[in-house]
Amino acid sequence: DIQMTQSPSSLSASVGDRVTITCRASQSIRTYLNWYQQKPGKAPSLLIYEASSLQSGVPSRFSGSGSGTDFSLTISSLQPEDFATYYCQQSSSTPPTFGQGTRLEIK
Amino acid sequence: QVQLVESGGGVVQPGRSLRLSCAASGFTFSNYGMHWVRQAPGKGLEWVAVIWNDGINKDSADSVKGRFTISRDKSKNMLYLEMTRLRAEDTAMYYCARDVGQFSEWLFYFDYWGQGTQVTVSS
Repeated sequence: DIQMTQSPSSLSASVGDRVTITCRASQSIRTYLNWYQQKPGKAPSLLIYEASSLQSGVPSRFSGSGSGTDFSLTISSLQPEDFATYYCQQSSSTPPTFGQGTRLEIK
Repeated sequence: QVQLVESGGGVVQPGRSLRLSCAASGFTFSNYGMHWVRQAPGKGLEWVAVIWNDGINKDSADSVKGRFTISRDKSKNMLYLEMTRLRAEDTAMYYCARDVGQFSEWLFYFDYWGQGTQVTVSS
C-alpha cells in the first residue's frame, strides 16, 4: 500500500494568514492526489482533486500543487470557516490511502 | 441535489454481524461506483470497500477482506455493507461516498459523502 504522510500534524494560524500543508507519498503517484476538508462532526468534503484542480464551489483561496511524491495545499488568506482538519488522499492505486490529517486551529 | 443517507449503525458485540445501508438520491445511481470509508474515534480516514456501477466488480481493504461484503440494489438506489465477525477495531463512523468517475472510469476519489452511521463493537 502507498503510505501518505502529512506535515505538520497540527498548525495554529490567524485569520488572514497564508498557510501551507504538505503531503508526501511513499512512491510516485504522479498527480493522483486529492485534498479533503473535515469539520468536527461532519463528513469530509472534496477541495482539490488530481493535485491542483479546484472542486466546484470551493473558494479560490484554496490551491494545490505538486507531482510525483511531494504535494502541498495552500490557503492564501485564512477565513474563520477554514479552521478544520485537512486530509490528503492518493488515488493512484488501490487501496486508496489517506494521510493522517492536519488539524488547523485558530491562534 | 445529491444525497447519501446512511443507516443501520449501532452497538454490537464482538463476533456479531451488522448491515449498513446507504440511500442514494439526486443522481443516476447506476452510473457510479460507490465506496464505504470509515473513521475510528479521533482518528483518520480509512477506505473500506468499493463496488462498481455494474454491481459485479468489487474490492475491499485487507483489514476487512473475508468479513465485510459490499453490495448494491440498483432498483432501490441502495448501497449496503454487510459486516460479519466484528472486532473492537471496527468501531468507527462509517461513511458511504460516491466515486467521481462514471461507468468504467475508476477514479477512486470521492465527491459526495453521507453524514455517516456510527458502529460500536463492544461487549
